[in-house]
Amino acid sequence: GENVEQHPSTLSVQEGDSAVIKCTYSDSASNYFPWYKQELGKGPQLIIDIRSNVGEKKDQRIAVTLNKTAKHFSLHITETQPEDSAVYFCAANTGNQFYFGTGTSLTVIP
Amino acid sequence: NAGVTQTPKFQVLKTGQSMTLQCAQDMNHNSMYWYRQDPGMGLRLIYYSASEGTTDKGEVPNGYNVSRLNKREFSLRLESAAPSQTSVYFCASAWGGNYEQYFGPGTRLTVT
Repeated sequence: GENVEQHPSTLSVQEGDSAVIKCTYSDSASNYFPWYKQELGKGPQLIIDIRSNVGEKKDQRIAVTLNKTAKHFSLHITETQPEDSAVYFCAANTGNQFYFGTGTSLTVIP
Repeated sequence: NAGVTQTPKFQVLKTGQSMTLQCAQDMNHNSMYWYRQDPGMGLRLIYYSASEGTTDKGEVPNGYNVSRLNKREFSLRLESAAPSQTSVYFCASAWGGNYEQYFGPGTRLTVT
């Protein structure tokens, strides 16, 4: 099956700086790559996603890039704010199944 | 519009006891999923139902059973709970396989 690796596991940045989280996947058949944000005690919530026919997608301060050849995709958060502090998960979809990375705990220091 | 709801929020079981976790969605989604979340391991798919009337195993199905009761409801059953099943369980729903998943608030289960 698919294997999704996510780095780093923890990340601390100063408010206003950028944060980058990277994921790799193994199955070339994966075609949908969502990113989720999970706040303490809550379920994950989608923040951005990208499909395999697109190389980059941006939504305000958040962007995702996808390199199908290298099988990796990244989340970029610019102008970070304290409310961006949370755990972020990447995922890859193959057919009806989603495979998640192990998560990145992001702390934005005011 | 409640989205995805799960009951109960918390549960403590003794080894060997059984229980059913309930999940319901009001978004008319076709697909529903059960995940478990363990520290340092992300979310792992237990079972999913691509459409009403179908269920399939995910990555970690052993020790669990599911029922897609109707389009809205998807339940997860532990027949004989084990300490290894201590985890946080999330239900999710989506229009289909490669669409955004909406997650419920989770059930924190402890098996002693």
